[in-house]
Amino acid sequence: QKEVEQDPGPLSVPEGAIVSLNCTYSNSAFQYFMWYRQYSRKGPELLMYTYSSGNKEDGRFTAQVDKSSKYISLFIRDSQPSDSATYLCVQGAQKLVFGQGTRLTINP
Amino acid sequence: SQTIHQWPATLVQPVGSPLSLECTVEGTSNPNLYWYRQAAGRGLQLLFYSVGIGQISSEVPQNLSASRPQDRQFILSSKKLLLSDSGFYLCAWSAGLAGEADTQYFGPGTRLTVL
Repeated sequence: QKEVEQDPGPLSVPEGAIVSLNCTYSNSAFQYFMWYRQYSRKGPELLMYTYSSGNKEDGRFTAQVDKSSKYISLFIRDSQPSDSATYLCVQGAQKLVFGQGTRLTINP
Repeated sequence: SQTIHQWPATLVQPVGSPLSLECTVEGTSNPNLYWYRQAAGRGLQLLFYSVGIGQISSEVPQNLSASRPQDRQFILSSKKLLLSDSGFYLCAWSAGLAGEADTQYFGPGTRLTVL
């Protein structure tokens, strides 16, 4: 079993839709969870990080962690074509464990 | 502000040839440095990490090696490339924070194709 599992997609939605990206994790030892965004042929960039359970909001993006079910989510409101990218969920602190990434396309 | 550079951006090499990829970081001191490989449709695989000059930890046994000759320079090498070495190589740095999320910042990557 992979430590962080993520549906690779691809996921295609119309512009303006609410997007939900999800991951599950198996190792409860690590308390930090991150989302990276990776545009095609570019390096990943940090989008958000959260600690422990609960929600964290940053503009159109909301990260949610449910420790009881070991579930990590990223919600994107009012999605834009510029949000089209691969989204990587990550767990860890000093050493990071990456999910496979979900490829998202927002259609104008 | 901190910046991270990688070169070359793309590379096409024959099987059995040597490899040298370079990564440098500006605007920070004593960073932790990392080499990852991302194969097509797969997640990031940590290859090496370094917490200081000359200190290299290997995560995956393979025909690759890494060196850190200077504080902000990280080099990935191979004496003989294999077809399976093809992929997108990413260098990253972090501040080396303990007790909290040690966020990693990635370079632009090198796309390596071994033929």
